[in-house]
Amino acid sequence: DIQMTQSPSSLSASVGDSVTITCRASQSITYFLNWYQHKPGKAPKLLIYAASSLLSGVPSRFSGDGSGTDFTLTITSLQPEDFATYYCQQSYSTPRTFGQGTKVEVK
Amino acid sequence: QLHLQESGPGLVKPSETLSLTCTVSGGSISTSSYYWGWIRQPPGKGLEWIGRIHYSGSTDDNPSLKSRVTISIDTSKNQFSLKLTSVTAADTAVYFCAREVRGDGYGDYGMDVWGQGTTVAVSS
Repeated sequence: DIQMTQSPSSLSASVGDSVTITCRASQSITYFLNWYQHKPGKAPKLLIYAASSLLSGVPSRFSGDGSGTDFTLTITSLQPEDFATYYCQQSYSTPRTFGQGTKVEVK
Repeated sequence: QLHLQESGPGLVKPSETLSLTCTVSGGSISTSSYYWGWIRQPPGKGLEWIGRIHYSGSTDDNPSLKSRVTISIDTSKNQFSLKLTSVTAADTAVYFCAREVRGDGYGDYGMDVWGQGTTVAVSS
């Protein structure tokens, strides 16, 4: 199985801040890396697929980068609705695997 | 607009079989462009992929679940289902169904439509 490691596990930020979350795969997954936003009691929401492609309707303050084993999710100008847990997930091989999550909290 | 809805018992006894169904509305499940999958989240933990099925009937599942998983599809009802046998308290979780976008052979493109999730508790 491909192991996905996210960092940090949590971070505190204020509205308007920029934050970056990193995700590392245990082997190359080329660009088959996806990012999800998850809020309690809701379904996870796909934000970015194929490492850097923004899903239609997702605000442009979300961006993804990386290839191979190292990836980042950046949120510029954090908005109140962005406080949530973010997961990376590889879709290169099965079983699909997720990072452990990064909780973005209000400072 | 595509909508997925999970249904099934909210309480299952230990050693019994957990059975859930995902009903797809607003679009056909019989398309080669997507897989249909199950994901779960135990209380206080992260997301765990359970498995997926293609409308052709081909399946993949997570070896960590030790062959307890069966995923099936009923194209006539636009539904797919999950059976998880020999459940224990560790199988208590919110279970989600989701659509995964099929790629070009080298990988796939994420789970873009999800059900709202259903909570299943394993307890006697």
